[in-house]
Parts: sequence; C-alpha cells; structure tokens
Amino acid sequence: ETGVTQTPRHLVMGMTNKKSLKCEQHLGHNAMYWYKQSAKKPLELMFVYNFKEQTENNSVPSRFSPECPNSSHLFLHLHTLQPEDSALYLCASSHRQEAQETQYFGPGTRLLVL
Amino acid sequence: ILNVEQSPQSLHVQEGDSTNFTCSFPSSNFYALHWYRWETAKSPEALFVMTLNGDEKKKGRISATLNTKEGYSYLYIKGSQPEDSATYLCAFARLTGGGNKLTFGTGTQLKVEL
Repeated sequence: ETGVTQTPRHLVMGMTNKKSLKCEQHLGHNAMYWYKQSAKKPLELMFVYNFKEQTENNSVPSRFSPECPNSSHLFLHLHTLQPEDSALYLCASSHRQEAQETQYFGPGTRLLVL
Repeated sequence: ILNVEQSPQSLHVQEGDSTNFTCSFPSSNFYALHWYRWETAKSPEALFVMTLNGDEKKKGRISATLNTKEGYSYLYIKGSQPEDSATYLCAFARLTGGGNKLTFGTGTQLKVEL
C-alpha cells in the first residue's frame, strides 16, 4: 500500500453537476499533487501544493478548483465540466517539493462526464 | 515543451525472457529521472530515482541506467515473470526554480506470457 488514498474511485457526473475528489496521505509528507491522465496521453501535472500553499497551477481551467486544508488532505472541486474532462485523476504526495523526491501515488479516480 | 519519449510503446515477452525499454529526455538542465511501475487498477509504484550521469540502480531483477549527456535511460528486467506485467513509466525533472515538477512519458506496456 502506498499510504495515499483517493475517493471516490469511480465517478459519473453530468456537465451541470458539482462534485469533489478527495485525496488523503498517511505518510507525513508536505507536498501534494494532482495529475490527470487522458486516454493515450501521459500523466499531466495539474496542481502542486507545498505546506498547504499552491505552488503550481499548470494552466488548468477554472472549472477545476483545488483545495488543500492541511498537509494530509487535498481536494479537487469540479463544476460545469466538459465531456473531454473525462479521465483518470491521480493524487500524489512527496516528503518535500524537490525533483529527486519520490512521489507516492494514490489509485486514482476514474471520472466520466456525460 | 518538454518531450519524454518511451519505446517501445508495448512489448510481449515470454516468461524467463530478459527485456529492456528506453526513456529519452532532453539532455539540457537535467535534474532527475524517475521510473515507475503501474499495474492496472493500482497505484503507480516508484522503482528508481536517478540523478547522476552513469548511475546504475537495481531492485531485484529490475535495473536501470542513466546517461544524462545524451538524454536516455534504460530499464532492464532479467528473467521476466507474469507479475512483471505492467506499464513502466519514466518521468523527467528539469532543473528550474520550480521544485518537483515531473514530465512523464506515455509508458511501455509490458505483457509477460507463460
């Protein structure tokens, strides 16, 4: 087990719905990440939080809204999504936000937008 | 735009075969190279983090080498077993002031058959 959990594992939502993805890490890490993997594409970084502060927004549309209330929890709030936002959303954490630090991933949330 | 290329895209081998895959990345401003193993429906699992030119790392039957001057890394699996079936991802970290930002390749999907 990686110590990073994500809920829900699967989510189907309409374009007018509002939903949230939750990530929790039990590793005592200080940095947390959201990634997106669309079909046939590589993992793509969305957001980075370091000590609860957002340090990276990789030009993500505002219909994705992250929240990091503490170093152990990370949320991704979703509203008015488009069908092309259907993808696997992965959360990860690392001890520090350093390039040589291993990132530990959760199992992901498979999102389908209808 | 950083390009991280992995080849081959997919690979079928027989149990007991040894195999290797390639990860190519930009050779300028290199900071770190990560390898991950990702089984279907599970979390990506870290294999290696490599930072120095000429690095060789080993974990059981899996090993990796790094050439930062020419921008490539090889992952080797000796005596493949069915449980090695997974997608193997590499991720490149560039030396910037922005902390731990990884650019992933699309992965090599390995299938080990009995």
